[in-house]
Amino acid sequence: DIQMTQSPSSLSASVGDRVTITCRASQSINNFLTWYQHQPGEVPKLLIYTASTLQSGVPSRFSGSGSGTYFSLTIDGLQPEDFGTYYCQYSKTPLIFGGGTKVEIK
Amino acid sequence: EAQLVESGGGLVQPGGSLRLSCAASGFTFTQYWMTWVRLTPGKGLEWVANVNPDGNERYYADAVRGRFSMARDNGKNSLRLQMNSLRVEDTALYFCVRDGTHCRDTTCYDLWGQGTLVTVSS
Repeated sequence: DIQMTQSPSSLSASVGDRVTITCRASQSINNFLTWYQHQPGEVPKLLIYTASTLQSGVPSRFSGSGSGTYFSLTIDGLQPEDFGTYYCQYSKTPLIFGGGTKVEIK
Repeated sequence: EAQLVESGGGLVQPGGSLRLSCAASGFTFTQYWMTWVRLTPGKGLEWVANVNPDGNERYYADAVRGRFSMARDNGKNSLRLQMNSLRVEDTALYFCVRDGTHCRDTTCYDLWGQGTLVTVSS
């Protein structure tokens, strides 16, 4: 079975920082990778699909890259509203999510 | 405005059953795959099951296969998730989710309900 491993599991960064979250697949998944943001009390939000395509309405400070087994989500200029937990997901069956990365604002 | 509203969550004993429902509105329901995703404090997000637009293809996560059953009623724009033989580890916030059609033949969840809480405890 495919496993999706995110790192780090949590991080704390300052407003304006460049933040990178990584997601590794246990086997090649081409570019079938989606990123979500989840803030407490809110529903998860689609950020990026097919590894690097920004969902409409998502700020351009968010970007995704990677293919095969290694992927990353970058927030270029962290904003106060970017706190929350970020999840990657293999976007084909069995649709496995990574364990999440909690982002806190210093 | 497109919207998904879940109902049916609650407290149930291990081994018990529960049926979740999801009412869809504001979009052409019959054009979309639909999904249940759950959120737990320990494991985060977990895909549970999905169904194709016609309702004749259903897929389940290993953790729930044989115990959960998903169905849709296109005439009523609704989904249901029948959960049997519930376990403590099924305790979660269950989201009804729309699978967007714009993500180039891959899965992307572009519309989420607010979720309904299922607690399995004795």
